[in-house]
Amino acid sequence: QSALTQPASVSGSPGQSITIACTGTSTDVGAYNYVSWYQQHPGKVPKLMIYDVSNRPSGVSSRFSGSKSGNTASLTISGLQAEDEADYYCSSYTFSSTWVFGGGTKLTVL
Amino acid sequence: QLQLQESGPGLVKPPETLSLTCTVSGGSISSSSYYWGWIRQPPGKGLEWIGRIYHSGSTYYNPSLKSRVTISVDTSKNQFSLKLSSVTAADTAVYYCARTASGGVFDIWGQGTMVTVSS
Repeated sequence: QSALTQPASVSGSPGQSITIACTGTSTDVGAYNYVSWYQQHPGKVPKLMIYDVSNRPSGVSSRFSGSKSGNTASLTISGLQAEDEADYYCSSYTFSSTWVFGGGTKLTVL
Repeated sequence: QLQLQESGPGLVKPPETLSLTCTVSGGSISSSSYYWGWIRQPPGKGLEWIGRIYHSGSTYYNPSLKSRVTISVDTSKNQFSLKLSSVTAADTAVYYCARTASGGVFDIWGQGTMVTVSS
């Protein structure tokens, strides 16, 4: 199985909105509404931010939202804050009953 | 609250077998709602899903690692384990255990354990 495709890096200024895309295929992202997003600060454990494409776990800021169109899922962070600077990974269930991650995106808050 | 803790050797010689255990506390590994999985992250690189197990023993593995991976569960000890055979330097990584909820949501993670493969 191939990793999902994410941009290596994105950046934005405080207060702005950014979107990170996660592109898969018709056998993973496009086939199921089982895309999740994880935030990882340097040296820390990944943290679940979005699950089932667009659901936020309790305690995650409403500034984080998710969506999907076809084979591409997206994570949008609005009102960018310095603390949002981190690596972000998408993940999807696949038709083989396995899971696959994206390569990760480094978010820089300018 | 539920916690997961990885344990095992931090250094493994090639081509030996890497063995790690994840101990689940604050809840039962036999819960019907969850799978239990392993994820790794090589230094400076991204996350890679290794595999998962249900309390019944049913397993699924990453196809790229399937020939070398075995995940098992011991419900009496509330633990599950990972074995990765014939390791090479490419298997050097932080290994995480994680609870997997419906749809593949990795909602609770262990702290991770660094495993270095070197002679």
